[in-house]
Amino acid sequence: QQPVQSPQAVILREGEDAVINCSSSKALYSVHWYRQKHGEAPVFLMILLKGGEQKGHEKISASFNEKKQQSSLYLTASQLSYSGTYFCGTELRGSTLGRLYFGRGTQLTVWP
Amino acid sequence: SQTIHQWPATLVQPVGSPLSLECTVEGTSNPNLYWYRQAAGRGLQLLFYSVGIGQISSEVPQNLSASRPQDRQFILSSKKLLLSDSGFYLCAYRAGTDPGNTIYFGEGSWLTVV
Repeated sequence: QQPVQSPQAVILREGEDAVINCSSSKALYSVHWYRQKHGEAPVFLMILLKGGEQKGHEKISASFNEKKQQSSLYLTASQLSYSGTYFCGTELRGSTLGRLYFGRGTQLTVWP
Repeated sequence: SQTIHQWPATLVQPVGSPLSLECTVEGTSNPNLYWYRQAAGRGLQLLFYSVGIGQISSEVPQNLSASRPQDRQFILSSKKLLLSDSGFYLCAYRAGTDPGNTIYFGEGSWLTVV
């Protein structure tokens, strides 16, 4: 049930871009993206519901390829505040609809 | 507005002792409720999922149980804690049953079993 995230870790300089990928072996209904700072609860970034959907949130955006059962999170012109662990959560079509399964996370570190 | 409260924030418990973590949601009725666990450096593991009072789905066999005695109250329990139960426990809710709704997390509870 758990999606696979890649890469596991990314180190950037301020202003650089990054892409985080999330893939599932099962058909997806939705993909949710969260960011978590150490010791805190995950904070919601965005949700994608339809295949091909793209959403943006400031300089953070995401896409959802339903056919490939994949989603990608794009961080452009990264800022120090972007540091944290990014999780994708997937909601599967079928009997488990309503449950959100998370990947292991991608640790993003942005240096000045 | 909707809010979620979770307590206690931290606790240190000896092996074999019982556990009770409580979570309440305000500002919405009949939410979907979730318990997740995050071990050190690991992802978020779904433990329990509830769509209504007394309706609990367990995701993994384990030493824990969950109950939902009231519409907006979700409790995580254990009769005898194991060292492997240590971790960061997060309660979450979704307003309504629409899968397009966002899932929000509580502030979490740090459990250390010694």
